[in-house]
Amino acid sequence: GAVVSQHPSWVICKSGTSVKIECRSLDFQATTMFWYRQFPKQSLMLMATSNEGSKATYEQGVEKDKFLINHASLTLSTLTVTSAHPEDSSFYICSAPPRGGTEAFFGQGTRLTVV
Amino acid sequence: GENVEQHPSTLSVQEGDSAVIKCTYSDSASNYFPWYKQELGKRPQLIIDIRSNVGEKKDQRIAVTLNKTAKHFSLHITETQPEDSAVYFCAAPLAGSGNTGKLIFGQGTTLQVKP
Repeated sequence: GAVVSQHPSWVICKSGTSVKIECRSLDFQATTMFWYRQFPKQSLMLMATSNEGSKATYEQGVEKDKFLINHASLTLSTLTVTSAHPEDSSFYICSAPPRGGTEAFFGQGTRLTVV
Repeated sequence: GENVEQHPSTLSVQEGDSAVIKCTYSDSASNYFPWYKQELGKRPQLIIDIRSNVGEKKDQRIAVTLNKTAKHFSLHITETQPEDSAVYFCAAPLAGSGNTGKLIFGQGTTLQVKP
């Protein structure tokens, strides 16, 4: 299957700072990538859709100015959590379907802890 | 929009027994239904999926059945083993997403297989 790599696997940051998470499709091109957030013992909640060459689209209730998404190329999307607060601590996971595909391949996830 | 309901939230079975997890969805246009297994702290792993042109799909000890009329699909694991213990998620395409890998997830089922 296709490989999606996410970096870093875990990060600890101080309140008020920003953190960037990268999501790369290693062996296929992805015009679209998806960002999810998962709180402990909960399901995956879709945050936003990252679109190569255009603006990201955000799900209801997700602040676009807080969660900045940039889809720089056909293999890279980044999520920047700005002015992080402890309540932003969560597991962030990206997924990408190969172009024209339906199946979603997930990155390893990033455990963000804001202290 | 699409709504996916998953039951039960927890399931405990004896090794060798079968386990069944059920999901219902609301968008009749959905035509792709994946099941994911997630171990603690790791990414969701696709274990089986089904498309709407078939009613059942099997892969060794795992099977998925789909009832499009009733809008529900189920995961069946036979001859369960302790390593099957994990959280299982069903998913369906978000309404209006065109089945492009943009998924909404069920609430998850924690399966415990007792040796």
